[in-house]
Amino acid sequence: AQRVTQPEKLLSVFKGAPVELKCNYSYSGSPELFWYVQYSRQRLQLLLRHISRESIKGFTADLNKGETSFHLKKPFAQEEDSAMYYCALENYGQNFVFGPGTRLSVLP
Amino acid sequence: DADVTQTPRNRITKTGKRIMLECSQTKGHDRMYWYRQDPGLGLRLIYYSFDVKDINKGEISDGYSVSRQAQAKFSLSLESAIPNQTALYFCATSDETSSPGELFFGEGSRLTVL
Repeated sequence: AQRVTQPEKLLSVFKGAPVELKCNYSYSGSPELFWYVQYSRQRLQLLLRHISRESIKGFTADLNKGETSFHLKKPFAQEEDSAMYYCALENYGQNFVFGPGTRLSVLP
Repeated sequence: DADVTQTPRNRITKTGKRIMLECSQTKGHDRMYWYRQDPGLGLRLIYYSFDVKDINKGEISDGYSVSRQAQAKFSLSLESAIPNQTALYFCATSDETSSPGELFFGEGSRLTVL
């Protein structure tokens, strides 16, 4: 079955430190992967998608098919990055499977 | 701005009551979804719909039903609410043509079943 795991429920880093939010998946075929973010008192929204190979707000994510991972990285964390982050997988074009989420706390 | 609107935003009810959560959108999207969010479990799919005549069960559809009254409206019903249905419920829409893979979420409906 298609599944997304995020091993860390909570990740705390200091401002300016690098941050890596881990995501692993199980999927048969070529996966379409995404990171969604939910800032305090805001709606859940798309942060980035792997097919775009984009950097959004300094975040990047690389799909590693060998390790079935799609980790989210940022070299220098900012306090405004504090939020809940969800890794998601598009399920054969039908719907989306989400991981359990990681709460990132960036300390001053 | 085109939007996804959920009503009610908060609801407290008792075990056994029937509850309906409504979702309407002005984005013109064909696809609509209902998810529930629980701490430590993330978002889990309840039902999804690709158009008015297409309704599909998600991962956790038991105890829920839906109605797609129009392209813009997708309602979630709990026929007989139970305490473990206490959760934050999200409606979302998507359009595979204009923004493939992007879900647009409502603000959520917090349901408490006593």
